[in-house]
Amino acid sequence: KAGVTQTPRYLIKTRGQQVTLSCSPISGHRSVSWYQQTPGQGLQFLFEYFSETQRNKGNFPGRFSGRQFSNSRSEMNVSTLELGDSALYLCASSLQGIGNSPLHFGNGTRLTVT
Amino acid sequence: GESVGLHLPTLSVQEGDNSIINCAYSNSASDYFIWYKQESGKGPQFIIDIRSNMDKRQGQRVTVLLNKTVKHLSLQIAATQPGDSAVYFCAGHEEGNQFYFGTGTSLTVIP
Repeated sequence: KAGVTQTPRYLIKTRGQQVTLSCSPISGHRSVSWYQQTPGQGLQFLFEYFSETQRNKGNFPGRFSGRQFSNSRSEMNVSTLELGDSALYLCASSLQGIGNSPLHFGNGTRLTVT
Repeated sequence: GESVGLHLPTLSVQEGDNSIINCAYSNSASDYFIWYKQESGKGPQFIIDIRSNMDKRQGQRVTVLLNKTVKHLSLQIAATQPGDSAVYFCAGHEEGNQFYFGTGTSLTVIP
């Protein structure tokens, strides 16, 4: 079974631009959650989608948004990029949702904002 | 909210020895825990999980111990191999909430 696929692997953007990241979950998984990973803060939760509905949201500004499609694929959008948004963005899929079954992560998208 | 941390940022062990990586959490309502391994350039890889109604769970060469009294869990790796070198972190979950992640222990296996 294919794992979680994230595209692109690397992105370089400039301040003020916006970016869209994509995540394809493991087949059959209906939950997709997004995380920001930085050396100083570790892994921080952004939001979770389950069957196209946002179920939970972390403490990030409204510039961070997401959506999930009927095939469970998910996208995350960051608008008006800031230097501090440089990070590894990880997507995880789960069969039954956060807390009910394990999270399986993709290899992430490395975003650099200059 | 939940707070999850790890005891040591780095750990070095000899190949063949057993490794023990520790994690503490603050919220006694945490009901589910997962250990992850992350290698450079890759996403976190699921190792083993445990629910709060269990004290111990074993996998292949790994054992997770949960002590709810002191809010502590540990990951034991038997016969540590060079391929085990990575960053390990725990994640804790509270019912109806999100996962909180520890900052990680970097394990180095010395051949």
